[in-house]
Amino acid sequence: ELKVEQNPLFLSMQEGKNYTIYCNYSTTSDRLYWYRQDPGKSLESLFVLLSNGAVKQEGRLMASLDTKARLSTLHITAAVHDLSATYFCAVKNTNAGKSTFGDGTTLTVKP
Amino acid sequence: EPEVTQTPSHQVTQMGQEVILRCVPISNHLYFYWYRQILGQKVEFLVSFYNNEISEKSEIFDDQFSVERPDGSNFTLKIRSTKLEDSAMYFCASSESLPDTQYFGPGTRLTVL
Repeated sequence: ELKVEQNPLFLSMQEGKNYTIYCNYSTTSDRLYWYRQDPGKSLESLFVLLSNGAVKQEGRLMASLDTKARLSTLHITAAVHDLSATYFCAVKNTNAGKSTFGDGTTLTVKP
Repeated sequence: EPEVTQTPSHQVTQMGQEVILRCVPISNHLYFYWYRQILGQKVEFLVSFYNNEISEKSEIFDDQFSVERPDGSNFTLKIRSTKLEDSAMYFCASSESLPDTQYFGPGTRLTVL
């Protein structure tokens, strides 16, 4: 059974600082997704990573995938308050659609 | 910009009653999904649907659950006899192809009393 672990689960940062969220998964996969969820809202897709070594960047967020290590990272550069949210990684290990989500990392960016 | 819509936004029901949650996926998408999220917890996959049939389902998706695409636009999730533990936020999502970005609807909050 595929297990997806995120850490940390809670992260409090100062504005302007950098930090990385980690997503480890237990079985082979080359399909990894990052989502953002604001309180009481739906999920917004951030990144789709489909191959080993994939790196994608959008604004202050950068995601990467190492399929050999079964690890994805979401790096936050110079955090701002607007980035405060819960971030989920999700992994697909089948060709039929099932995604397994991590527990989420709740990020709070303080001034 | 096209978006996934869901109705109702909030459904309150009595235990043992049937509920139908409705979703309208993005029109050119071919893959459809239902997820649930119990308050404060992670998102759990329920079912994926393609070409008018279920392509995969989780262990949560037991005989009490069913999905249907009754016409060219709607995608529904039916819970036959609701239990207290079915109380959750239910999200519908769609994607153009299997590995592609999934677009999520706003969700339906189901409260079972």
